[in-house]
Amino acid sequence: DAGVIQSPRHEVTEMGQEVTLRCKPISGHNSLFWYRQTMMRGLELLIYFNNNVPIDDSGMPEDRFSAKMPNASFSTLKIQPSEPRDSAVYFCASSQLAGTDTQYFGPGTRLTVL
Amino acid sequence: AQSVAQPEDQVNVAEGNPLTVKCTYSVSGNPYLFWYVQYPNRGLQFLLKYITGDNLVKGSYGFEAEFNKSQTSFHLKKPSALVSDSALYFCAVRDRGGKLIFGQGTELSVKP
Repeated sequence: DAGVIQSPRHEVTEMGQEVTLRCKPISGHNSLFWYRQTMMRGLELLIYFNNNVPIDDSGMPEDRFSAKMPNASFSTLKIQPSEPRDSAVYFCASSQLAGTDTQYFGPGTRLTVL
Repeated sequence: AQSVAQPEDQVNVAEGNPLTVKCTYSVSGNPYLFWYVQYPNRGLQFLLKYITGDNLVKGSYGFEAEFNKSQTSFHLKKPSALVSDSALYFCAVRDRGGKLIFGQGTELSVKP
């Protein structure tokens, strides 16, 4: 299995630009999670989906952030407009919904907003 | 509300010595506990988990963790540390909705 796939691995953009991060979960997994990691705040859950439906987006910092999961094999996290304080590493993780299944993380996208 | 605490920001160990990375938790009901490791510029990798059963859980790379209900702890251990074990370690607890609540992480440094 290829594991969770994220793209791009690195993104450098200027303040005000739109940024789209992409995630392909492990085949057969039906829960998907978006996290953000910074030195100051550690690892934060932004949003998660079960069966492509957003369940909890309480971690999304503000309206500039949005996430979609149009099908079981693809999700996007969009920031529009981006700001320097959005600079972080963004991780996607997936798991099976039932029971106590483990979350498996992608390699992350390192976002730098200038 | 569920929470985890990792009381040490950093742990320093000499190669070959045993290591312990501490984690305490607060949950209502039975805890589902996890340890993850993060190497530089990499994603988090699953090490082991406790759901039920034996209090000593064995995981990847020779790591194990001991669940102690009375002390609400889930400490990560390894009998003999390797330099390659140097990384950031996260403890996490799963809440009822399936979310993982992570600790702040502990930086493990193993010196030759």
